[in-house]
Amino acid sequence: ETGVTQTPRHLVMGMTNKKSLKCEQHLGHNAMYWYKQSAKKPLELMFVYSLEERVENNSVPSRFSPECPNSSHLFLHLHTLQPEDSALYLCASSVATSTDTQYFGPGTRLTVL
Amino acid sequence: KQEVTQIPAALSVPEGENLVLNCSFTDSAIYNLQWFRQDPGKGLTSLLLIQSSQREQTSGRLNASLDKSSGRSTLYIAASQPGDSATYLCAFSSLGGYQKVTFGTGTKLQVIP
Repeated sequence: ETGVTQTPRHLVMGMTNKKSLKCEQHLGHNAMYWYKQSAKKPLELMFVYSLEERVENNSVPSRFSPECPNSSHLFLHLHTLQPEDSALYLCASSVATSTDTQYFGPGTRLTVL
Repeated sequence: KQEVTQIPAALSVPEGENLVLNCSFTDSAIYNLQWFRQDPGKGLTSLLLIQSSQREQTSGRLNASLDKSSGRSTLYIAASQPGDSATYLCAFSSLGGYQKVTFGTGTKLQVIP
């Protein structure tokens, strides 16, 4: 396991539920990322935070709402999801957004019924 | 838009064999290249990072090369072991201020004892 943790590891939710994914990094990094990994598709970058400011939003639907209260924590709030949103959601962190290696958490396996 | 292709999609080799995984990209304006491995149901583990000014990086039995002119990167694994079985992903970071990362779809490697 790396210094990036994610909870929960598995989540099943209905389309009308509201849930949140949590990511925490213990590496002293300043940048954090949310990725979506769907079956048979490349990993997709969703959001990038640098020093708690959102610096990248890759045309993600508004039913996904990120929050970065401090440089160690990143949340992804979910509401009114669709079955096609079922995927592995990965969090990552790096020292900065420019050149550094990204360290990934184990992911949250999300199933939307 | 950067496109990243990994060939083959799956590879099965006997233990001890040397092997090469390929990754090609369309946009030569890259910032860096990273190779990751992903075990089933797990997050990504960074293997090697090559900056755009570098040609290769080595770590143990792994060697990654970068040829921007041809739009290719290779990951060489020497003396493969069953523990190397995983999916290998390459990822390119593009120039442009914030890290825009494009992943390939991966090569699933199985090393047979």
